[in-house]
Amino acid sequence: DAGVTQSPTHLIKTRGQQVTLRCSPISGHKSVSWYQQVLGQGPQFIFQYYEKEERGRGNFPDRFSARQFPNYSSELNVNALLLGDSALYLCASSEGQGETGELFFGEGSRLTVL
Amino acid sequence: AQRVTQPEKLLSVFKGAPVELKCNYSYSGSPELFWYVQYSRQRLQLLLRHISRESIKGFTADLNKGETSFHLKKPFAQEEDSAMYYCALKKGGTSYGKLTFGQGTILTVHP
Repeated sequence: DAGVTQSPTHLIKTRGQQVTLRCSPISGHKSVSWYQQVLGQGPQFIFQYYEKEERGRGNFPDRFSARQFPNYSSELNVNALLLGDSALYLCASSEGQGETGELFFGEGSRLTVL
Repeated sequence: AQRVTQPEKLLSVFKGAPVELKCNYSYSGSPELFWYVQYSRQRLQLLLRHISRESIKGFTADLNKGETSFHLKKPFAQEEDSAMYYCALKKGGTSYGKLTFGQGTILTVHP
């Protein structure tokens, strides 16, 4: 198993544009969480989806949205990009809702907003 | 709101020396605490959680509710311990997918 896979790995956008990031969880994992990691900071929780339903939302504006598909993959969308959205976006999957306490992270998508 | 603080951004020790990475938290309920680690060119991964009370790679961490701390300790550091370490908290009653992370501590173990 390749683990959690994310695409694209790097992308550059300009202010006002929209971006879609994709995540494929580990096979058998039904929960996907998204985190934003700004340079020099720890990951910050954005969303969690389990069985295609939103199970948690962090303190992010409505410009951020996400969804989970029947195959448990997920997309994170960010509209009207701001310079401050430049960050590494991490996806993490877990069995169930993570009762083992372990999240499995992808390598991330690095977004640069110019 | 809950908060996790790792007061040291950088920590350097020599091989064989004891190491302690500090983590303090603020949360009024019953938290679960974790340490995640990211080695060079690898993904962020779970090191240990306080509930399991395990020793992983020689590291231990005890939850001190009185001092609201969850410091990570190892008696004899090894060069392969050099990595970025994050302390993370899960609020009681919430999903394990929703963690609050500290800012991280870069540990460098010199030969």
